[in-house]
Amino acid sequence: EPEVTQTPSHQVTQMGQEVILRCVPISNHLYFYWYRQILGQKVEFLVSFYNNEISEKSEIFDDQFSVERPDGSNFTLKIRSTKLEDSAMYFCASSEMGVGTGDEKLFFGSGTQLSVL
Amino acid sequence: GQNIDQPTEMTATEGAIVQINCTYQTSGFNGLFWYQQHAGEAPTFLSYNVLDGLEEKGRFSSFLSRSKGYSYLLLKELQMKDSASYLCAVRGYQAGTALIFGKGTTLSVSS
Repeated sequence: EPEVTQTPSHQVTQMGQEVILRCVPISNHLYFYWYRQILGQKVEFLVSFYNNEISEKSEIFDDQFSVERPDGSNFTLKIRSTKLEDSAMYFCASSEMGVGTGDEKLFFGSGTQLSVL
Repeated sequence: GQNIDQPTEMTATEGAIVQINCTYQTSGFNGLFWYQQHAGEAPTFLSYNVLDGLEEKGRFSSFLSRSKGYSYLLLKELQMKDSASYLCAVRGYQAGTALIFGKGTTLSVSS
């Protein structure tokens, strides 16, 4: 069964450093998402991406964050200058279709645990 | 914006039936989803409702009332492996709108 893959599974970084989290969405999917989950808290939406541009972003997704689809398969989340409060599990997700076309469920990757020291 | 409420925790015993409720307020509505999340793992899709009524899928069923802004997930014949968090999520109506999740209900199933 096709799946969303994320690398690395764990990332430790020093405060102020840049990190890039990588994702390979399911190959025929067109919509891509990043979510994060701080330990013990809810899954929070960061950003959605379609047709090589951001569709929607939350207030969490400030200027420190950026997303990119550098080639036909990868989807990346960059945090420019990490803060302690960026420590969380970051989930990438993808969906085949857009809103209103059916049960366009999201498929999640297994996540990258980011620890900022 | 969206606001989603679920109970924080529930407990049940093996073989029992449990109902997890979710109430929501959203500007525009285009579907309600239930996801299961085991500790330390990614959420996985359980069910989707866009019209009022009950959707049944094996041991799991989900109900939606759009006029009341209410949904529930019904789990029958509970098994130990059903111990997990159950996340209610809604999607707004704008194109490209992502799923917004509630805080989740942690279900503990005991023998």
